[in-house]
Amino acid sequence: EPEVTQTPSHQVTQMGQEVILRCVPISNHLYFYWYRQILGQKVEFLVSFYNNEISEKSEIFDDQFSVERPDGSNFTLKIRSTKLEDSAMYFCASSVGPVYFGPGTRLTVL
Amino acid sequence: AQSVTQLGSHVSVSEGALVLLRCNYSSSVPPYLFWYVQYPNQGLQLLLKYTTGATLVKGINGFEAEFKKSETSFHLTKPSAHMSDAAEYFCAVSETPGNNDMRFGAGTRLTVKP
Repeated sequence: EPEVTQTPSHQVTQMGQEVILRCVPISNHLYFYWYRQILGQKVEFLVSFYNNEISEKSEIFDDQFSVERPDGSNFTLKIRSTKLEDSAMYFCASSVGPVYFGPGTRLTVL
Repeated sequence: AQSVTQLGSHVSVSEGALVLLRCNYSSSVPPYLFWYVQYPNQGLQLLLKYTTGATLVKGINGFEAEFKKSETSFHLTKPSAHMSDAAEYFCAVSETPGNNDMRFGAGTRLTVKP
């Protein structure tokens, strides 16, 4: 069964550093998403991406965040200057109907 | 905007007992409704979904949910809990066929006692 994949599974970085989280969505899907889950809290929507542009973003998705689909398969989330509060599990997802999630990247900002 | 409320952040049942996880939604249009399960240290896995048609939806692992428009509810049930059902369960709502506006509830942690 096709699945969404994410790399790395765990990323540790220093505060102020840039990180790029990578995702390979399911190949025939049209919508792409990033969600995050701070430890012990709810899953929060960050951004959705369709037709090579952002279709919706939440208030969390400020100027420090950006997304890109650099080629036909990858979908990336960049955090320009990480803060301690960015520590969370970041889930990539894709859909052409129900949303399917990747296993997540645990980001730890020290 | 659409939203979901999950009643009870933590539910504990005995093995073999009925599982009932509650979800109420708010939507300005007929909603698309979902339940996802998250096992420890894993991503979210789709359990079941309601789009249109039959209001009782069957999912994986013996779970089912019933869409009740009059109650704006989409509660998740399983007749007999297994130890392997212990996980976090998330209800979600979307207002579009492409589901690019999905919003999640806060989650309910299910504990199953032997």
